[in-house]
Amino acid sequence: GQQVMQIPQYQHVQEGEDFTTYCNSSTTLSNIQWYKQRPGGHPVFLIQLVKSGEVKKQKRLTFQFGEAKKNSSLHITATQTTDVGTYFCAAASGNTGKLIFGQGTTLQVKP
Amino acid sequence: EPEVTQTPSHQVTQMGQEVILRCVPISNHLYFYWYRQILGQKVEFLVSFYNNEISEKSEIFDDQFSVERPDGSNFTLKIRSTKLEDSAMYFCASRGSGAFFGQGTRLTVV
Repeated sequence: GQQVMQIPQYQHVQEGEDFTTYCNSSTTLSNIQWYKQRPGGHPVFLIQLVKSGEVKKQKRLTFQFGEAKKNSSLHITATQTTDVGTYFCAAASGNTGKLIFGQGTTLQVKP
Repeated sequence: EPEVTQTPSHQVTQMGQEVILRCVPISNHLYFYWYRQILGQKVEFLVSFYNNEISEKSEIFDDQFSVERPDGSNFTLKIRSTKLEDSAMYFCASRGSGAFFGQGTRLTVV
């Protein structure tokens, strides 16, 4: 079945440093979604990317969808302690819109 | 802001017992889902539900699992005879522009 690979698994940064997580698929994706899960919390929808080469920004977060629609990235500029959590990419698959999640990148931010 | 609600937040059950996890999806959404997340792992798809029937299910969703929408608002996941490996966080979600997840039910099978 479809798989979505995400790296790195963990990232520890100093507050103010940048952070990037990468998501890759062996097959072309119709769209890619990003979710944030705080420790002990539930996944919270951040954004959906649909178009080839699409770039979207939400304040300090920049989301990119690759030209071939097989990879995506999330970049956080100048991390803050509130950015702590696990960031998941997810590909919507099939007619039902079920989500295939990547393994997630857990971000720790040292104040 | 509309949200997906799940009850209970925690459930401890003995192996072999039946459990029912409950969800109230966002009212105007049409697709509903159950996912599970074993501690420290990724979120895994279990089942999708549309138009009062299962539209897709994963390999995890075997005969021990069932879903139901008994009325216009509730959406339930039943595990007939729980196993130790069913211990996980179970999330209900409904679909708008993205998926909206409930707070989850932490199921512990002992």
